[in-house]
Amino acid sequence: SQKIEQNSEALNIQEGKTATLTCNYTNYSPAYLQWYRQDPGRGPVFLLLIRENEKEKRKERLKVTFDTTLKQSLFHITASQPADSATYLCALILTGGGNKLTFGTGTQLKVEL
Amino acid sequence: NAGVTQTPKFRILKIGQSMTLQCAQDMNHNYMYWYRQDPGMGLKLIYYSVGAGITDKGEVPNGYNVSRSTTEDFPLRLELAAPSQTSVYFCASSNQQGAAEAFFGQGTRLTVV
Repeated sequence: SQKIEQNSEALNIQEGKTATLTCNYTNYSPAYLQWYRQDPGRGPVFLLLIRENEKEKRKERLKVTFDTTLKQSLFHITASQPADSATYLCALILTGGGNKLTFGTGTQLKVEL
Repeated sequence: NAGVTQTPKFRILKIGQSMTLQCAQDMNHNYMYWYRQDPGMGLKLIYYSVGAGITDKGEVPNGYNVSRSTTEDFPLRLELAAPSQTSVYFCASSNQQGAAEAFFGQGTRLTVV
């Protein structure tokens, strides 16, 4: 069966450290993978997109990697801050999929002082 | 710039009642989506539309209906509300095919009692 798996347990890290979140998928062949941030009571907000032929993408303190052989994406936040505390969702876009996003369950990140 | 607007923000329905969740976007996006999010779960696609007059089922369409008479509006109809439809509903839109990011509304929290 098709699955997108993210760590269901919350990730707690200290301010200034690098947070690394994992997204694993099975039985999908995504053309693109996106990461979103969701704060409590709000809709998801787009952060980064990476294509199937790209290995890595960066934006300010954010970095995403995409390994289609391992079927895994890693999302890194460097020099983390308490304001980075939120739930982070990965989403796949399939080729010929009508631009539909299929989401993982999300990982809650808490950055402590 | 309003983006994606959902109304209402909160609603309590009795079993068997019906209602329409409204969604409007002002970005001239062709693609629009309805998702539901249950506690601790990712977003599940209910219905989507690739343009005015065109709609299609997502992963969990049972108990819902949609229409897309204009580019801007994509209402979601619940005909006979059931407790299983208690959830937070998000509407989203995106641009043409490809790697376009999705813009989400603030969500509608629906409780069926």
